[in-house]
Amino acid sequence: KNQVEQSPQSLIILEGKNCTLQCNYTVSPFSNLRWYKQDTGRGPVSLTIMTFSENTKSNGRYTATLDADTKQSSLHITASQLSDSASYICVVSAKNDYKLSFGAGTTVTVRA
Amino acid sequence: DAGVTQSPTHLIKTRGQQVTLRCSPISGHKSVSWYQQVLGQGPQFIFQYYEKEERGRGNFPDRFSARQFPNYSSELNVNALLLGDSALYLCASSLPSPQGRADTQYFGPGTRLTVL
Repeated sequence: KNQVEQSPQSLIILEGKNCTLQCNYTVSPFSNLRWYKQDTGRGPVSLTIMTFSENTKSNGRYTATLDADTKQSSLHITASQLSDSASYICVVSAKNDYKLSFGAGTTVTVRA
Repeated sequence: DAGVTQSPTHLIKTRGQQVTLRCSPISGHKSVSWYQQVLGQGPQFIFQYYEKEERGRGNFPDRFSARQFPNYSSELNVNALLLGDSALYLCASSLPSPQGRADTQYFGPGTRLTVL
């Protein structure tokens, strides 16, 4: 069964600090992995997408890494801002499968 | 360009009632997917439609149904509402893709359904 697990479930950081979110998956055969940011009550917005051959991808202050061998990904947020407060969802797709596997998300709260 | 739009934004129903949610995809996108997101959890796949045909269905009861229109907009219908159907319903659209490959999905703002 294709599964995506994220940790931690939630975290609180001070404005300006960095944090790293983790994603472990069992989706096979692997096609790509996406990180989405979801503000409360809104739809998810894509941050990064990585295929098997990519091990890092940046989008501004967001940097995602992928280790396809260990089936792990991380999302690093640098110099956090209050607007980074949101849920971050890891989404993995398998080859030849239209369905996506979603993690439960990590809720990040940035405090001044 | 307009993104994915959904209506209504909020909805309150009582148990046993029926509800219809609507979604308009990004122009040029022919695939629409529906997800249910319960508070504190990730989205759960309900349906995907491509070129007006149902491509796939998640593990949801027959009370959930959907359709896609010739203009690629879509409706999700839920009959005999239960308290557990209270959730954020997300619609996502994507470009045409070769059979069986998952494209980047662009999500709408969602419809918040509350069942009392």
